[in-house]
Amino acid sequence: GDSVTQMEGPVTLSEEAFLTINCTYTATGYPSLFWYVQYPGEGLQLLLKATKADDKGSNKGFEATYRKETTSFHLEKGSVQVSDSAVYFCALSDLETNAGKSTFGDGTTLTVKP
Amino acid sequence: EAQVTQNPRYLITVTGKKLTVTCSQNMNHEYMSWYRQDPGLGLRQIYYSMNVEVTDKGDVPEGYKVSRKEKRNFPLILESPSPNQTSLYFCASSSPGTSTDTQYFGPGTRLTVL
Repeated sequence: GDSVTQMEGPVTLSEEAFLTINCTYTATGYPSLFWYVQYPGEGLQLLLKATKADDKGSNKGFEATYRKETTSFHLEKGSVQVSDSAVYFCALSDLETNAGKSTFGDGTTLTVKP
Repeated sequence: EAQVTQNPRYLITVTGKKLTVTCSQNMNHEYMSWYRQDPGLGLRQIYYSMNVEVTDKGDVPEGYKVSRKEKRNFPLILESPSPNQTSLYFCASSSPGTSTDTQYFGPGTRLTVL
């Protein structure tokens, strides 16, 4: 079945540091890929997404590129802020194999210190 | 305001006492889904619904029931809760009848089963 493997956390960075959170996936079809963010005490919200190979999703300074050859969708940000402290989830959904199922990674907790 | 609402937000109950967690969305979305979030396990899908009267199992359906009699509502029913169902539960919805587009999450229901 489909699976998502995320870089283990927690990750602690200083403000303005560069962020990478690795995400690799296994899927039989051509899934859509997502990054969701969960701020403390809240539900998840979409950060960015990509629906086909080589697509780059971007939002709020975060970027991720759909790499089919390496089955990866790594999340990056050039300069993190304290307000970026949250839990980040990589997820996929594959319309071809099962249009209703979503698979999430375990989540990576990011703490940014001033 | 477009939103997904869940009730209750917090619930402490005892083993075997039937309970229902309600989920409602006001965005006219076809797709709705339930997830549970546990430390170290990320988000796992319990059940999903791709339209009214259409429901299907996710990865961890045991011990749960759902129904989708109206488009806006998707209640999660625990007929006989057990301590291993202690978790943080999220409902989500999406515009197309699949999981392959952005999902909008509710604020979560924290359930404790004693």
